[in-house]
Amino acid sequence: GENVEQHPSTLSVQEGDSAVIKCTYSDSASNYFPWYKQELGKGPQLIIDIRSNVGEKKDQRIAVTLNKTAKHFSLHITETQPEDSAVYFCAANRPNTGNQFYFGTGTSLTVIP
Amino acid sequence: EPEVTQTPSHQVTQMGQEVILRCVPISNHLYFYWYRQILGQKVEFLVSFYNNEISEKSEIFDDQFSVERPDGSNFTLKIRSTKLEDSAMYFCASVLRATGVTDTQYFGPGTRLTVL
Repeated sequence: GENVEQHPSTLSVQEGDSAVIKCTYSDSASNYFPWYKQELGKGPQLIIDIRSNVGEKKDQRIAVTLNKTAKHFSLHITETQPEDSAVYFCAANRPNTGNQFYFGTGTSLTVIP
Repeated sequence: EPEVTQTPSHQVTQMGQEVILRCVPISNHLYFYWYRQILGQKVEFLVSFYNNEISEKSEIFDDQFSVERPDGSNFTLKIRSTKLEDSAMYFCASVLRATGVTDTQYFGPGTRLTVL
């Protein structure tokens, strides 16, 4: 089955710096990769996603890149702010299922003011 | 903005007791899901539900678990006889549609289940 690995597990950056979180997946048939932000006491919230027909997608300070050949995808947050502090999860869809996902183990991001 | 809601936010129960976790998906969504997240671990898929029946379930979703959509708005997860290892956050999610192109899932805030 699919296996999604996520690194690092914790990340601390200074406010204004960039943060990068990386994920790898094992099933080459996966074609949809969402990223979720989970704040304390809340459920995961979708922040950006990418489909396998594109290599990069950007939304203001957040970008995601996908390398299908290497089977890895990354989340990039630029100009980080304290409110970016949260746990971030990557996920990959399980092909031929009705929206099942495999999640990474999460990255706890702390942005230091 | 429409959102998925879940109640209660925290449920404490004794081992062997039955619990029902409730979710109200986004009103025009058609697919519903339950996930589990044991403290410090990955979010794990439990079950998906469409057209009033289970469409997929994981190996975690054994005979102790059941789901139901008793009316047009609620979506429930029942655990018949809770075990200590059922202690986790349980998330409900809903999707507008699943047309073969994977659609965005919207998660609720979760219910923290503590089994003593």
